[in-house]
Amino acid sequence: QQPVQSPQAVILREGEDAVINCSSSKALYSVHWYRQKHGEAPVFLMILLKGGEQKGHEKISASFNEKKQQSSLYLTASQLSYSGTYFCGTERHSGTYKYIFGTGTRLKVLA
Amino acid sequence: DSGVTQTPKHLITATGQRVTLRCSPRSGDLSVYWYQQSLDQGLQFLIQYYNGEERAKGNILERFSAQQFPDLHSELNLSSLELGDSALYFCASSVSVGELFFGEGSRLTVL
Repeated sequence: QQPVQSPQAVILREGEDAVINCSSSKALYSVHWYRQKHGEAPVFLMILLKGGEQKGHEKISASFNEKKQQSSLYLTASQLSYSGTYFCGTERHSGTYKYIFGTGTRLKVLA
Repeated sequence: DSGVTQTPKHLITATGQRVTLRCSPRSGDLSVYWYQQSLDQGLQFLIQYYNGEERAKGNILERFSAQQFPDLHSELNLSSLELGDSALYFCASSVSVGELFFGEGSRLTVL
């Protein structure tokens, strides 16, 4: 079962902030975030590991709560270039190791 | 440019036909993943190979098969095509878990 992201879609004005959540029904060992612009391939943004280690990107940061099996992506002072669909990704352990993505969140930043 | 090459970029074919999608991973990446993305939908995991061996399998139909060759390139074979198989098929490669680099995708249209 894939992680569930919320909200499904969000519209912002330039300069506004947004938070995207990724929740899993199963244990998360690490979470990764990707952005896919319309008509393009997904691009890796960052990785979050158990223990809180994270790598940020521009004005985008994230958190990882292992206990709640949840990760959140924070977009600060959004820019037009932030528009796209955001996916969280994680490795699911169920017999084998499958790398799966969340349901996705569409973000549109308006001028 | 992610360094992952997929061919063909676009493919139009008829129901019942068979097609082969090809992927060349980034230099040095041993893992290759295949994902299916239907129109404005999420990324559905199909299969992963690591250094020539199948590592994980997702919801891949029996009509679909894949393999990774000794030079690490991979092919995804889709047979007995149906209208519902129309989608964007992404290949991704990685050297470590979670940091996937995606090709531009192969857009398959089944008429």
